[in-house]
Amino acid sequence: KQEVTQIPAALSVPEGENLVLNCSFTDSAIYNLQWFRQDPGKGLTSLLLIQSSQREQTSGRLNASLDKSSGRSTLYIAASQPGDSATYLCAVRPTAGAGSYQLTFGKGTKLSVIP
Amino acid sequence: NAGVTQTPKFRILKIGQSMTLQCAQDMNHNYMYWYRQDPGMGLKLIYYSVGAGITDKGEVPNGYNVSRSTTEDFPLRLELAAPSQTSVYFCASSGQSNQPQHFGDGTRLSIL
Repeated sequence: KQEVTQIPAALSVPEGENLVLNCSFTDSAIYNLQWFRQDPGKGLTSLLLIQSSQREQTSGRLNASLDKSSGRSTLYIAASQPGDSATYLCAVRPTAGAGSYQLTFGKGTKLSVIP
Repeated sequence: NAGVTQTPKFRILKIGQSMTLQCAQDMNHNYMYWYRQDPGMGLKLIYYSVGAGITDKGEVPNGYNVSRSTTEDFPLRLELAAPSQTSVYFCASSGQSNQPQHFGDGTRLSIL
């Protein structure tokens, strides 16, 4: 059974710092991996989606990488801002077949960016 | 720019009552999903649909039912509410199964 782990559970950094959030998964047979942001009391906002054939995706100050063989993904946030404060979740989708629509989510990393 | 709309936002039920959580999307997405999120836990898939008239179970379907009569709507039904169903429920949709999922703001449900 696929398990997704995000470490650390919480992270506090000063404004302007570059930071890396980690996501690891136990089964490398994934179709894609998605990073989400969740603000308190809100739903999830998709940030980046990396297909299994890709190594990284970039959007603005965000860069996500994927290493399937080692079961790891990182989300790099450049020049962090207080508005980046939120919980960041990663989720993996298994390869096609039974249960292939079922994303497995990590528990998230709660990020606080201190002004 | 409505995206995925969930109603109600909050609800308190008594044990044994029933209710329907509504979900509507205006993006003409084929795929729709229902998740629950419990404190300190990852999201769990309850049911999903790949198009109107087609639904299937996710990881935690017990105690829930769904229907998909139109592309836009995907309601989630609780027949006999139990305290274990206290959770935050999220509806999501995607255009294709390999595209990003778009989430609603959730329904916070307490069962007492």
